[in-house]
Amino acid sequence: NAGVMQNPRHLVRRRGQEARLRCSPMKGHSHVYWYRQLPEEGLKFMVYLQKENIIDESGMPKERFSAEFPKEGPSILRIQQVVRGDSAAYFCASSPGAGSQETQYFGPGTRLLVL
Amino acid sequence: GESVGLHLPTLSVQEGDNSIINCAYSNSASDYFIWYKQESGKGPQFIIDIRSNMDKRQGQRVTVLLNKTVKHLSLQIAATQPGDSAVYFCAEGGRDDKIIFGKGTRLHILP
Repeated sequence: NAGVMQNPRHLVRRRGQEARLRCSPMKGHSHVYWYRQLPEEGLKFMVYLQKENIIDESGMPKERFSAEFPKEGPSILRIQQVVRGDSAAYFCASSPGAGSQETQYFGPGTRLLVL
Repeated sequence: GESVGLHLPTLSVQEGDNSIINCAYSNSASDYFIWYKQESGKGPQFIIDIRSNMDKRQGQRVTVLLNKTVKHLSLQIAATQPGDSAVYFCAEGGRDDKIIFGKGTRLHILP
């Protein structure tokens, strides 16, 4: 039973380019969460999605960032026109049900470096 | 701001001893807490959780204690092993759909 999968594991972009991060939840999970982690810090919630719906995007910057979870395929976190401050580890988690009292299982993360 | 924080950023423990990692929270309405372990280069791994109607919960070699009076929880690891070296995060759930993470405590195991 595969866990949460993320790719790529490492991504290097130059300022102004686009970054696309993918997350495949655990089998049977229809709830996906994205978090960002800066070095030596805890994870910060960005967005919560269910299939084809954004439920809560209160932690996501209003500009340049977008997320989707289509009916088929992985969830995508998209960062347009990346800046150096976007360099971080981005983690995806999934859960079988709704709400933060459902255990969330995390993927290995994508480490984004913006040059 | 964040409501979950940790008392110590780094903890060094002798192999075989017990480890105790502490965490404070500020929201008395919080009703669900989780401990995660994060090894270098990996995602957080669920260790144990506890709901506010409990004050203690035990897992394999780990125990979480919750003191609602002083808004404090702790993670106890028995007979600490080299594989326990990691950053440990306490996290708070139960508010909307977010899990709110503290900054983490790095656990060093001394030989």
